[in-house]
Amino acid sequence: AQSVTQLDSHVSVSEGTPVLLRCNYSSSYSPSLFWYVQHPNKGLQLLLKYTSAATLVKGINGFEAEFKKSETSFHLTKPSAHMSDAAEYFCVVSVLNTNAGKSTFGDGTTLTVKP
Amino acid sequence: DVKVTQSSRYLVKRTGEKVFLECVQDMDHENMFWYRQDPGLGLRLIYFSYDVKMKEKGDIPEGYSVSREKKERFSLILESASTNQTSMYLCASSSPAGQVHYNEQFFGPGTRLTVL
Repeated sequence: AQSVTQLDSHVSVSEGTPVLLRCNYSSSYSPSLFWYVQHPNKGLQLLLKYTSAATLVKGINGFEAEFKKSETSFHLTKPSAHMSDAAEYFCVVSVLNTNAGKSTFGDGTTLTVKP
Repeated sequence: DVKVTQSSRYLVKRTGEKVFLECVQDMDHENMFWYRQDPGLGLRLIYFSYDVKMKEKGDIPEGYSVSREKKERFSLILESASTNQTSMYLCASSSPAGQVHYNEQFFGPGTRLTVL
């Protein structure tokens, strides 16, 4: 079985300060991990993905995430928040040895960016 | 640019009506998915399909059915809509998993369904 926990339902930062969105996962097998972003009234867009290559993954819009197997974590970071980063973020785990195509989504973290 | 489109952005239906939500992708993807999204609950998988005419139940299939007659189109059907099916519905598609990892899903803009 697999699961994912986003540790904060809401995160608020000031523009220009660092962003940290936390995600822990559990899986019986090597996972594929993803971060998606959803702006209001839009679908989800892929930010970045980890698929067993480099543990530090760089994504779009300056975001990156580090896969830490010992901590079962995949936290999302950005050095400097921008107003346009305000959105909901989802951490997703997929495990190859489960039914084809099934992924598990976290409950989401809402990021607020204050001017 | 890859595209997943959904037939309606907003839909209002009455209890007991039969509701069809349509999803079309232009990426020749084998996998297609239907999720519902509710505040605080993230995305929950209703059904998915890994090939034409193939379907598998997700985590919350009760009250829903699906149809995939063509590779590019995946329909979600609410046989008799109820108020607890008021939600945002998201369609997604992906190419098949590789040997060691999954591929990302591409999402449509969503359909906000209200059942009165």
